[in-house]
Amino acid sequence: GENVEQHPSTLSVQEGDSAVIKCTYSDSASNYFPWYKQELGKGPQLIIDIRSNVGEKKDQRIAVTLNKTAKHFSLHITETQPEDSAVYFCAASRYNTDKLIFGTGTRLQVFP
Amino acid sequence: DSGVTQTPKHLITATGQRVTLRCSPRSGDLSVYWYQQSLDQGLQFLIQYYNGEERAKGNILERFSAQQFPDLHSELNLSSLELGDSALYFCASSPRDRGTYGYTFGSGTRLTVV
Repeated sequence: GENVEQHPSTLSVQEGDSAVIKCTYSDSASNYFPWYKQELGKGPQLIIDIRSNVGEKKDQRIAVTLNKTAKHFSLHITETQPEDSAVYFCAASRYNTDKLIFGTGTRLQVFP
Repeated sequence: DSGVTQTPKHLITATGQRVTLRCSPRSGDLSVYWYQQSLDQGLQFLIQYYNGEERAKGNILERFSAQQFPDLHSELNLSSLELGDSALYFCASSPRDRGTYGYTFGSGTRLTVV
């Protein structure tokens, strides 16, 4: 069935370093790949997304890359700050379907 | 504040009981989606309603049901509760009837079954 694997499950970095989270999806028909940030006591918040017709998208310190051949996509956070500490989820879906398939999350800790 | 309101924030109940979780979507959004997040797990899609009608179903147990009312708020009913139903339950809303773009999540209801 549809599945999204996410690694690592936890990630600790020093403030100012980069962080990379990787996901692999199983459904080759997936063409929408959002990333969500979930802070303690809050719901997931969309931080960036990418569609299958592009290989990379950047928004300030956050970037996402997509390799459709390998069915991999990754989140890159540069110049990390303590407020980046949260759980990050990747997800995948097919265009015009009604559900997101989520990865199991990565707990990112940024130490000052 | 995402604009999606979920109540209650916390709920503790005993096995075998029934509870109702409520979600009010963002103003103007017609679709409501329910997701379950168990400990150390990603979010699992349960069900979607669009403008009062069930539109898609995921891994929702027969003990669970949902509905969307004319004012577009939605309720998720969980009955014959088991310990394993303890989880965070999120709803999300979207202005679209199809597709997963534009999801906005609420802050969730934490259900604890004891």
